[in-house]
Amino acid sequence: GAVVSQHPSRVICKSGTSVKIECRSLDFQATTMFWYRQFPKKSLMLMATSNEGSKATYEQGVEKDKFLINHASLTLSTLTVTSAHPEDSSFYICSAPSDNSYNSPLHFGNGTRLTVT
Amino acid sequence: QKEVEQNSGPLSVPEGAIASLNCTYSDRVSQSFFWYRQYSGKSPELIMSIYSNGDKEDGRFTAQLNKASQYVSLLIRDSQPSDSATYLCAVPRGNAGNMLTFGGGTRLMVKP
Repeated sequence: GAVVSQHPSRVICKSGTSVKIECRSLDFQATTMFWYRQFPKKSLMLMATSNEGSKATYEQGVEKDKFLINHASLTLSTLTVTSAHPEDSSFYICSAPSDNSYNSPLHFGNGTRLTVT
Repeated sequence: QKEVEQNSGPLSVPEGAIASLNCTYSDRVSQSFFWYRQYSGKSPELIMSIYSNGDKEDGRFTAQLNKASQYVSLLIRDSQPSDSATYLCAVPRGNAGNMLTFGGGTRLMVKP
């Protein structure tokens, strides 16, 4: 089955620093990847759609200059949280459809637990 | 009205019983529906997908879809303590087939 690898699984950083999270599709090519954020005991909220070779599409209320997304190849998308603050502490999860067909289900990476101190 | 609604639970069932999880959605044009299981501290994993009205069975899991009522459910037969998790219903947003909107999730507790 489709495998999505996410790294790191856990990161602790100081306020004001930047953190990069990588998301890779291991056995398939992903022209589109999705980045979600999940706060404790809440559901997944879509942050942005990462598009290979073009700009990401951000959801309303998500600051594109704060959450930088780069999708430079068909197997790698990165999310950089810039100038992180404690309120950015959350569980960040990337996902990708296993193929480009309509209705293809999403497969998720293992997530990144970000703690900003 | 939220796009995808689930009872947050917790839903508590004894081991061996049938657990019934429900989900309603607002977008009538939705064509595909997904159930994900999420253990605490982990990312969601796909359990079932269903695209047509009626029932779809996979092992102990049965997904039921009623597009007229905008309702999709997940039945878990012979529930096991290892089934204890949060179950998320997901529906594509509008015509964006792969962009999923998630319900709030139902926490299931299976007691030995």
